[in-house]
Amino acid sequence: DAGVTQSPTHLIKTRGQQVTLRCSPKSGHDTVSWYQQALGQGPQFIFQYYEEEERQRGNFPDRFSGHQFPNYSSELNVNALLLGDSALYLCASSLGPQALSFFGQGTRLTVV
Amino acid sequence: KNEVEQSPQNLTAQEGEFITINCSYSVGISALHWLQQHPGGGIVSLFMLSSGKKKHGRLIATINIQEKHSSLHITASHPRDSAVYICAAATGNQFYFGTGTSLTVIP
Repeated sequence: DAGVTQSPTHLIKTRGQQVTLRCSPKSGHDTVSWYQQALGQGPQFIFQYYEEEERQRGNFPDRFSGHQFPNYSSELNVNALLLGDSALYLCASSLGPQALSFFGQGTRLTVV
Repeated sequence: KNEVEQSPQNLTAQEGEFITINCSYSVGISALHWLQQHPGGGIVSLFMLSSGKKKHGRLIATINIQEKHSSLHITASHPRDSAVYICAAATGNQFYFGTGTSLTVIP
């Protein structure tokens, strides 16, 4: 049983570009949450998707958007990248919005 | 003020020592999670607690709901326990994370 998988594992983008990160939840899970973890900090909640809708959102600008597909996989899109967007982006899945979350390995995004 | 506070921020221990990491939270929670993050970013969920105490191998997690405090204990620490340990308070549909405790166990 594959756990939460994220792709790509590493990514380098130029300031102003757009990026799409992908997450496949653990088998049987229907909820996906995205987090941004800056170096030396704890993860910060971006948003959560359940039943293909954004259910809750953290304090992130509209440049951060997402999507959940019928197979429960999810994408995180970031437009107009800033240097400060450089971070580890973590995806977590769960069965239902409040259940124990399993985390992926993360995508390390570097904006230059 | 952060919703979740952890202490200490950094911890160095000799192999075999008993280790305690503390977590205090200020929000109402449905559960409290302890996570382990290894260099490179991968996060593993260690425990989910809503009351009492849980044990898994050499790891023990406790929570006091009235005091809004949780502790993670590692008995007979080993260099492979070296990682960042993160406390996360689950409330509603989201988590509030502590900044983590960086543990280094020296052989």
